[in-house]
Amino acid sequence: DIQMTQSPSSVSASVGDRVTITCRASQGISSWLAWYQQKPGKAPKLLIYAASTLESWVPSRFSGSGSGTDFTLTISSLQPEDFATYYCQQANSFPLTFGGGTKVEIK
Amino acid sequence: EVQLLESGGGLVQPGGSLRLSCAASGFTFSSYSMTWVRQAPGKGLEWVSAIGGSGATPYYADSVKGRFTSSRDNSKNTLYLQMNSLRAEDTAVYYCAKYRGYSGSGDWFDPWGQGTLVTVSS
Repeated sequence: DIQMTQSPSSVSASVGDRVTITCRASQGISSWLAWYQQKPGKAPKLLIYAASTLESWVPSRFSGSGSGTDFTLTISSLQPEDFATYYCQQANSFPLTFGGGTKVEIK
Repeated sequence: EVQLLESGGGLVQPGGSLRLSCAASGFTFSSYSMTWVRQAPGKGLEWVSAIGGSGATPYYADSVKGRFTSSRDNSKNTLYLQMNSLRAEDTAVYYCAKYRGYSGSGDWFDPWGQGTLVTVSS
């Protein structure tokens, strides 16, 4: 099984800060990676797929990059509505697996 | 608008069974694979199962293989998860989700239902 390791597990940041979240796969997954955003009490929402393709609702301050084993989710200027938990998920092979999550908190 | 509505959650004793349903609307249900993902209280996401549009060859996480069975009734636009031999560690919110695209375009999910809570406890 492919293990997905996210870091950090939490980050405390201020509005306007640049935030970077990393996700590492235990083996190469090409660009078969998705990112989800989950707010408290809500279902996750697909943010980015194929490592770097933004869903239509996602603001351009979000970006995804990487391929192979190392991936990054970047929020260029954190906004109040971005405080949430973010998960990566590999879609290379079954069983599908998620990273442990990164909680973005208000400083 | 795509809508997914899970039901069937509740309190069940260890060793018991439960069947979850996910009623889908707003898209051609039979054309899309579907998935189940769970989230234990205060924990992260765990993929559980995926099933193709025809219902053939579901895939399962090792943690549920042999105990859980995914199925679908395309005439009723409904996805099911039969859960047997339930354990305390199966306690979680169970989400159903639609694959974002057609088969082969990537195993990522959008949208998700609101979830249904399964509690396994004596």
